[in-house]
Amino acid sequence: DVKVTQSSRYLVKRTGEKVFLECVQDMDHENMFWYRQDPGLGLRLIYFSYDVKMKEKGDIPEGYSVSREKKERFSLILESASTNQTSMYLCASSYYTGNTEAFFGQGTRLTVV
Amino acid sequence: GENVEQHPSTLSVQEGDSAVIKCTYSDSASNYFPWYKQELGKGPQLIIDIRSNVGEKKDQRIAVTLNKTAKHFSLHITETQPEDSAVYFCAATKSARQLTFGSGTQLTVLP
Repeated sequence: DVKVTQSSRYLVKRTGEKVFLECVQDMDHENMFWYRQDPGLGLRLIYFSYDVKMKEKGDIPEGYSVSREKKERFSLILESASTNQTSMYLCASSYYTGNTEAFFGQGTRLTVV
Repeated sequence: GENVEQHPSTLSVQEGDSAVIKCTYSDSASNYFPWYKQELGKGPQLIIDIRSNVGEKKDQRIAVTLNKTAKHFSLHITETQPEDSAVYFCAATKSARQLTFGSGTQLTVLP
């Protein structure tokens, strides 16, 4: 059974903290993505990576960075968390070429207080 | 870039009735249109997709139609059941790297 696993279901962090969200996939996918989900706004792409150490900005990269040191792992970093980054974060992965299914993790609900 | 609009934002239907969700896209180069279902507490999961060389696709009670000229596509669910209650997202893309999602539709199937 294919799997994308996010390290935490729920996180509560303080304003100004550095926050790491971790994602691991076991499907040997080249592409990995971080989305942010807010009510009424759908899923918005923060960053994606198509290879180890490669990354590209999505639609809303401000305030975020990413790291991909190994093919199966993609991390989202909030350098200095702010309250407006309170949201649901979803990780996904897919094969490199062609338009194929993206597999999502279960999501991390982050609250910044 | 691509822009996807999805309507309605909420939809309530009686069990056994049909449900239709509509999306429009802006980039005429988009050629892949998946639909995802997100159940409470879970990540989105692909339920059906359609490519630009096809006008309609069916999978049991679910069907998707695509009108490339008008740049819109729709999800049709027939004989709705309580387990169909979820948030549904449409998406459009011309590249595996850039999937643009609609804003989502909360479907509630009333018993």
